[in-house]
Amino acid sequence: NAGVTQTPKFQVLKTGQSMTLQCAQDMNHEYMSWYRQDPGMGLRLIHYSVGAGITDQGEVPNGYNVSRSTTEDFPLRLLSAAPSQTSVYFCASSYSRDNSPLHFGNGTRLTVT
Amino acid sequence: AQSVSQHNHHVILSEAASLELGCNYSYGGTVNLFWYVQYPGQHLQLLLKYFSGDPLVKGIKGFEAEFIKSKFSFNLRKPSVQWSDTAEYFCAVNAFNTGRRALTFGSGTRLQVQP
Repeated sequence: NAGVTQTPKFQVLKTGQSMTLQCAQDMNHEYMSWYRQDPGMGLRLIHYSVGAGITDQGEVPNGYNVSRSTTEDFPLRLLSAAPSQTSVYFCASSYSRDNSPLHFGNGTRLTVT
Repeated sequence: AQSVSQHNHHVILSEAASLELGCNYSYGGTVNLFWYVQYPGQHLQLLLKYFSGDPLVKGIKGFEAEFIKSKFSFNLRKPSVQWSDTAEYFCAVNAFNTGRRALTFGSGTRLQVQP
């Protein structure tokens, strides 16, 4: 029972590089989301998806792209990394969007130099 | 837009002291309310949740929270904290009919329990 799996755990990028943060869940959850966690700011929603083929923007979507080709996977792409994207990124999923508790992955710590 | 405020950013308590962490939200309609906990080096875990019914909800590890609709509050309480409660605590709100189908989190409260 893996739950929500995020890879990699740590990543260092140079400004302008691109990369994809992977997220997979094995609980057949409809809803998946990406948050970034910054000191003193809590978790801020980047993008979310209510099902395969459906994505929407969250609070801080600029500089990030997502896609949801399968129920299980929800990758987050950084198109051109910037130092402001240095953060800890969490993927989360739930059975439905409205009242199901979120299950979080272990996070990816990203540093952009 | 909905917002969630946690006014206590850092709380330091001694073991056996009582705890109350404040959480206020801005949305006036139907809400689902959550408290999550993040232990050092770990991901967030659900502590307790409120959907409807009894406004006093009990969660894991002796935590409870009270929903006061008139005050737009959902404060977290524990009668006697332990060193193992040292963690960061996040309040989260899901407001219905806002068009935003996601949780909004507060900025978190870091609790440090001294032995």
